[in-house]
Amino acid sequence: DGGITQSPKYLFRKEGQNVTLSCEQNLNHDAMYWYRQDPGQGLRLIYYSQIVNDFQKGDIAEGYSVSREKKESFPLTVTSAQKNPTAFYLCASSTHRDNSYNEQFFGPGTRLTVL
Amino acid sequence: RKEVEQDPGPFNVPEGATVAFNCTYSNSASQSFFWYRQDCRKEPKLLMSVYSSGNEDGRFTAQLNRASQYISLLIRDSKLSDSATYLCVANGANYGQNFVFGPGTRLSVLP
Repeated sequence: DGGITQSPKYLFRKEGQNVTLSCEQNLNHDAMYWYRQDPGQGLRLIYYSQIVNDFQKGDIAEGYSVSREKKESFPLTVTSAQKNPTAFYLCASSTHRDNSYNEQFFGPGTRLTVL
Repeated sequence: RKEVEQDPGPFNVPEGATVAFNCTYSNSASQSFFWYRQDCRKEPKLLMSVYSSGNEDGRFTAQLNRASQYISLLIRDSKLSDSATYLCVANGANYGQNFVFGPGTRLSVLP
């Protein structure tokens, strides 16, 4: 089955710890994205990557880091510098050609709670 | 002004009703528009793309008005299963014309 997987589904972290959220896709999509969603609010872009070994900051990149060593994988690290990390984290992917973006497909998300 | 704005609702409608949502976008250079549906505590799922000439998919009709910079979604013959939050999406002005998601409009279809 083709799709996007995220793990873990739920994650609990103590203050001061870094955690890494996994995102894998087997859709052969070029572009991948990380969003954060807070209760009752819309999605905010954290980072995105259009191609392997390249990524760009979104609206709220502070306190987060990413890597894109493989086309299929785009892990997100939430560092201790992120002041309010409790949220629903969504990974997405899409095809991307010549600065034109196609529709995005989302993974099931990871709920991160800081204790 | 936010890049993509929606009325948060909630819209409470009886089964069988017709309901319409509007969404405005600020980037006049936007080229791609979509409607997504998000169920409670789940990921957004693509409902439909929005084409310049308008498009229909079963009970759902999407329209684009470039002059006024808004898109609309019409749902006919509402079902209980249509209850969800509907997200409007357009290209943003920043980050390589990446997508910007509206905050969503919540719909509750009542029996």
